[in-house]
Amino acid sequence: KAGVTQTPRYLIKTRGQQVTLSCSPISGHRSVSWYQQTPGQGLQFLFEYFSETQRNKGNFPGRFSGRQFSNSRSEMNVSTLELGDSALYLCASNQVSGNNEQFFGPGTRLTVL
Amino acid sequence: QQQVKQSPQSLIVQKGGISIINCAYENTAFDYFPWYQQFPGKGPALLIAIRPDVSEKKEGRFTISFNKSAKQFSLHIMDSQPGDSATYFCAASFDSGGSNYKLTFGKGTLLTVNP
Repeated sequence: KAGVTQTPRYLIKTRGQQVTLSCSPISGHRSVSWYQQTPGQGLQFLFEYFSETQRNKGNFPGRFSGRQFSNSRSEMNVSTLELGDSALYLCASNQVSGNNEQFFGPGTRLTVL
Repeated sequence: QQQVKQSPQSLIVQKGGISIINCAYENTAFDYFPWYQQFPGKGPALLIAIRPDVSEKKEGRFTISFNKSAKQFSLHIMDSQPGDSATYFCAASFDSGGSNYKLTFGKGTLLTVNP
């Protein structure tokens, strides 16, 4: 069974640009969560999508957005990048089967210069 | 507001010893408490999880102890091995309107197991 795929694995952008990250969940999983990981703030929840609908959102500015497609693949977008957006962005694939188990991908390392 | 507090920040243990990491939570609505292990360059991987209806759960060398009244839970790694050297995160979530996939994480503990 293939795991969670995130692309690209590494990205370098400059301030003011925008970026789109992609996540393909485990086959059959219909829910995807996104997290930001930084040395200072740790792991922080961004948002969660289930059946193309955002069900939950963390405390991030509106520059952070996401969507989910009918095949459960998800993308997140960050507009007007700031230096502080440099982080590892993690996608988690969720079973939605009565337990809360989440399976994380390897992440996308975003560096903003 | 840090809803899940984790300690210690770092821990050094000798091979064969017991590693203990503690977490405390504030939100009494939390009802799912997982522990994740993360190696450099990898995403977090679920180790073991517990719900408040039990006080202890054991899987191999890993045990979660849960104290509902104190709002605390801990991870014990028995017979620690150098391969256990990683960063460990506790987390919590609650089942409400899809919030079960919104994990609140502790800050992490860097565990080093010396050979």
